[in-house]
Amino acid sequence: AQSVAQPEDQVNVAEGNPLTVKCTYSVSGNPYLFWYVQYPNRGLQFLLKYITGDNLVKGSYGFEAEFNKSQTSFHLKKPSALVSDSALYFCAVRDDGNNRLAFGKGNQVVVIP
Amino acid sequence: GAGVSQSPSNKVTEKGKDVELRCDPISGHTALYWYRQSLGQGLEFLIYFQGNSAPDKSGLPSDRFSAERTGGSVSTLTIQRTQQEDSAVYLCASRSPGQGTYNEQFFGPGTRLTVL
Repeated sequence: AQSVAQPEDQVNVAEGNPLTVKCTYSVSGNPYLFWYVQYPNRGLQFLLKYITGDNLVKGSYGFEAEFNKSQTSFHLKKPSALVSDSALYFCAVRDDGNNRLAFGKGNQVVVIP
Repeated sequence: GAGVSQSPSNKVTEKGKDVELRCDPISGHTALYWYRQSLGQGLEFLIYFQGNSAPDKSGLPSDRFSAERTGGSVSTLTIQRTQQEDSAVYLCASRSPGQGTYNEQFFGPGTRLTVL
């Protein structure tokens, strides 16, 4: 079985400060990891993914994430947060044994002006 | 190009009624997923269609839920005899066949279902 944990319900950060949204995962095979963002009353938008290769993945809107196999983590980061980054962020994982994504509960990010 | 579309955007129904939710995936996307998003619960997988293969229905919560995909394109999720606990946002996503199954899913805006 595959699962994702996003331990913090809400992340508050001041505009201009670094933003980190944590994600740990559990899979039985090789992990394929994804981050999505959901703005109010909108569907989920893809940010970035890790399939293989370089552990540091760069994505949309200045976001990046680092795959850490030993810690089974895939934390999302942005060096300087914007007020417009305030949204709900979902981490997701699937292993190479099936086609289904397992999503975390999501983290509400609030960027304070 | 056009993204994934869903209709209706909002649906209010009475307990016990049947509802149908529609999803139009991105043209050419062979994989289609349905998820349910409840407040504070994240996304719950419901069903997965891939081309002409038998769908993966393992996420459907009860036999009141069913889905079909006609002609490999449009999909309809049907909930019979709706209950209040069915109230949620129902999200549809599609994925292109390129690069195998590593591709990301593209999500529609969702249908917000309220069962009174």
